[in-house]
Amino acid sequence: KQEVTQIPAALSVPEGENLVLNCSFTDSAIYNLQWFRQDPGKGLTSLLLIQSSQREQTSGRLNASLDKSSGRSTLYIAASQPGDSATYLCAVITGANNLFFGTGTRLTVIP
Amino acid sequence: DTEVTQTPKHLVMGMTNKKSLKCEQHMGHRAMYWYKQKAKKPPELMFVYSYEKLSINESVPSRFSPECPNSSLLNLHLHALQPEDSALYLCASSQASGMGSPLHFGNGTRLTVT
Repeated sequence: KQEVTQIPAALSVPEGENLVLNCSFTDSAIYNLQWFRQDPGKGLTSLLLIQSSQREQTSGRLNASLDKSSGRSTLYIAASQPGDSATYLCAVITGANNLFFGTGTRLTVIP
Repeated sequence: DTEVTQTPKHLVMGMTNKKSLKCEQHMGHRAMYWYKQKAKKPPELMFVYSYEKLSINESVPSRFSPECPNSSLLNLHLHALQPEDSALYLCASSQASGMGSPLHFGNGTRLTVT
């Protein structure tokens, strides 16, 4: 069964810093990888989707990379802001259109 | 604003009650999902509907009963729940025809079982 791990589990950074969140998965037979943001008690907001044939995707201050062969993805956040504070989840999408979620990274950006 | 709408936002029910969670999307998606999320844990898949037919049931207890009346609506009927069923219940949708198409989530229903 696919296992998805995120490191670190929690991260605190001062405002303005660039940061990288890591995601690793055990089975490279994926269709896509999706990064989500979740605010406390809320649903999931999709940030970026990387197709399995792609290496990276960018949206504003966010850049996500995918190395399918090594089972790794990173989410790079440039010039972090307090509003970026949330839990970030990566999820891999398999052929059954199921999402396997990672364990999440709780980010706190300190003003 | 999310394109997947869930109601109610909060629900408190006793163990003998019967209640339903509702989910609606108007994006023309043909796959809809129920996920359960406990505090500080990632969401766990419960059910998947594809073209209004149940395609995945992740060994969910029968006290949870899903229903997909049409391509835009998804319900989760609840009966005789236990306190450990208290969680955030998330609905999602995706284009069923595209393998690996992105999922769009609603804001969830916060369920408390007393």
